[in-house]
Amino acid sequence: GQQVMQIPQYQHVQEGEDFTTYCNSSTTLSNIQWYKQRPGGHPVFLIQLVKSGEVKKQKRLTFQFGEAKKNSSLHITATQTTDVGTYFCAGRPSGGSYIPTFGRGTSLIVHP
Amino acid sequence: DTEVTQTPKHLVMGMTNKKSLKCEQHMGHRAMYWYKQKAKKPPELMFVYSYEKLSINESVPSRFSPECPNSSLLNLHLHALQPEDSALYLCASSQGQGGWETQYFGPGTRLLVL
Repeated sequence: GQQVMQIPQYQHVQEGEDFTTYCNSSTTLSNIQWYKQRPGGHPVFLIQLVKSGEVKKQKRLTFQFGEAKKNSSLHITATQTTDVGTYFCAGRPSGGSYIPTFGRGTSLIVHP
Repeated sequence: DTEVTQTPKHLVMGMTNKKSLKCEQHMGHRAMYWYKQKAKKPPELMFVYSYEKLSINESVPSRFSPECPNSSLLNLHLHALQPEDSALYLCASSQGQGGWETQYFGPGTRLLVL
């Protein structure tokens, strides 16, 4: 079935370093959403990307959707301890189920 | 109000017990979801209700029985569960059922089956 691959699974950084997580799909996606789940918490919607090559920014977070709409990335500049959590992408395949498929998530650990 | 509430927060049950998880939203959303999440894994879709009708059942065992009494409430009835069913059960809602919709997740119920 449709899979959205997400790497890396874990990322340790020193506070102030940058962080990037990547999602890849073997098929074209209609859209991709990003969620953040803090330890012990629940997923919280961050953003949705729809257009080919789209780039959106939220303060230190930059989200990109690839030109072929098969990949996406989330980049955090100058990480802070408040960025700790697991970041999930959720992609919806074109012409497929209307329910997004979650990637396995990237757990970000920030060392002060 | 952009909140989805879930009760109970924690639940411990034996394999012969019957229990129910409850979810409520007052955002006027017409789609509601149940997900199961194991530790260090992504949420795994179980059921989707759209306009109070079950629209997706992801081949979930019959020991899980969903119910949508009205547009604001979603229940998950549990019976004869197995220890491997221990997980975080998340409820979510969205304006509609389309894949463009933002899903709002509740805090979840942490279930332990002994």
